[in-house]
Amino acid sequence: AQTVTQSQPEMSVQEAETVTLSCTYDTSESNYYLFWYKQPPSRQMILVIRQEAYKQQNATENRFSVNFQKAAKSFSLKISDSQLGDTAMYFCAFMKRETSGSRLTFGEGTQLTVNP
Amino acid sequence: KAGVTQTPRYLIKTRGQQVTLSCSPISGHRSVSWYQQTPGQGLQFLFEYFSETQRNKGNFPGRFSGRQFSNSRSEMNVSTLELGDSALYLCASSLNGQGWNEQFFGPGTRLTVL
Repeated sequence: AQTVTQSQPEMSVQEAETVTLSCTYDTSESNYYLFWYKQPPSRQMILVIRQEAYKQQNATENRFSVNFQKAAKSFSLKISDSQLGDTAMYFCAFMKRETSGSRLTFGEGTQLTVNP
Repeated sequence: KAGVTQTPRYLIKTRGQQVTLSCSPISGHRSVSWYQQTPGQGLQFLFEYFSETQRNKGNFPGRFSGRQFSNSRSEMNVSTLELGDSALYLCASSLNGQGWNEQFFGPGTRLTVL
């Protein structure tokens, strides 16, 4: 079974600054996907960024980037130029790469607050 | 394109009752997954349906069941409700449920069991 751990329940950052959210995972699988999801106060979960484990290059989506360390089983999210709209709960998630079926295993979440 | 919709958005039930929640995926999506979100247990996978068949199941008791219709709409049912079933129930749809296809989440149904 897979486990995902987010050791930072809460974080805060000043607007325009950079913040890094941590995530570690445990798995015996070699092929998998990792995700960061954002859940704003409105509750709709939104995909922020995803990483395929077989790709060594770290994924980047505009102000969001990841630091994927496969050997260390670490997958951190860096948010640059933080904006007030980035305030949300952030979840790290894992999915095995299977030909049939899918299930996301989520971490506990990190509540990020961006202060003006 | 319309997003994932869930109905109802809020429900209040009493212990022992049963409840049915509905999820309409994005048009063209054939995979629907259900998750339970609680403050104590976080986000937990319930089950996934693809082409009207349950393809994956999480570690929940048999009181939790689901189905998917030919138009990909899905329902989940919880029988003999317990206080601990109070949660936000999220559904997510994707083209085929594979990792490279993004899963789009609905707004959730907030279930309160009294």
